Amino acid sequence: DAGVIQSPRHEVTEMGQEVTLRCKPISGHNSLFWYRQTMMRGLELLIYFNNNVPIDDSGMPEDRFSAKMPNASFSTLKIQPSEPRDSAVYFCASSFGVGVITDTQYFGPGTRLTVL
Amino acid sequence: DQQVKQNSPSLSVQEGRISILNCDYTNSMFDYFLWYKKYPAEGPTFLISISSIKDKNEDGRFTVFLNKSAKHLSLHIVPSQPGDSAVYFCAASAMGTNAGKSTFGDGTTLTVKP
Repeated sequence: DAGVIQSPRHEVTEMGQEVTLRCKPISGHNSLFWYRQTMMRGLELLIYFNNNVPIDDSGMPEDRFSAKMPNASFSTLKIQPSEPRDSAVYFCASSFGVGVITDTQYFGPGTRLTVL
Repeated sequence: DQQVKQNSPSLSVQEGRISILNCDYTNSMFDYFLWYKKYPAEGPTFLISISSIKDKNEDGRFTVFLNKSAKHLSLHIVPSQPGDSAVYFCAASAMGTNAGKSTFGDGTTLTVKP
């Protein structure tokens, strides 16, 4: 049974370029979460969706970041334009339920983003 | 202000002994707590959780203790095994608000020596 799939696993780009991270949640899960892990801020929730609808995007750092979930099996996190301080590991997670914290979240392997 | 703190960045124990990982929180609204384990190059994996109506939750070798008055929780692993070597994150949430949103600690790297 495939877990949460993220692509690419590694991304190196130059400042100012657009970056798109992709996530395929576990089939049947209806909540999806995007996290970012940095040395300075640790693991922080950026945005989460329930039934493809964004529920809480208060963690999105600024307008350069946007996330979409066009259907139940795919989500993207886009950074445009990218900056060196965006360098981090980005995790996607999914869960089954209404998106409450008591639903177990399953994490993908992460995308390591480096912005030069 | 960091609301969830794991003050020990690392911990080393001998195989077969007990591992105790600690976590402190400051937000009194937190009423649900989770522990995740993370291996290198992998995402975090849910380990065990506890709600504030309990003071202990046990799952096999893993037990989480919650002291609400001290705003402190701990994860006990008994007996520790080399495969337990990983980074352990504590997370806290308020079930009534911002459903799904947790605040994470910085993690503690556990090394279990054979």
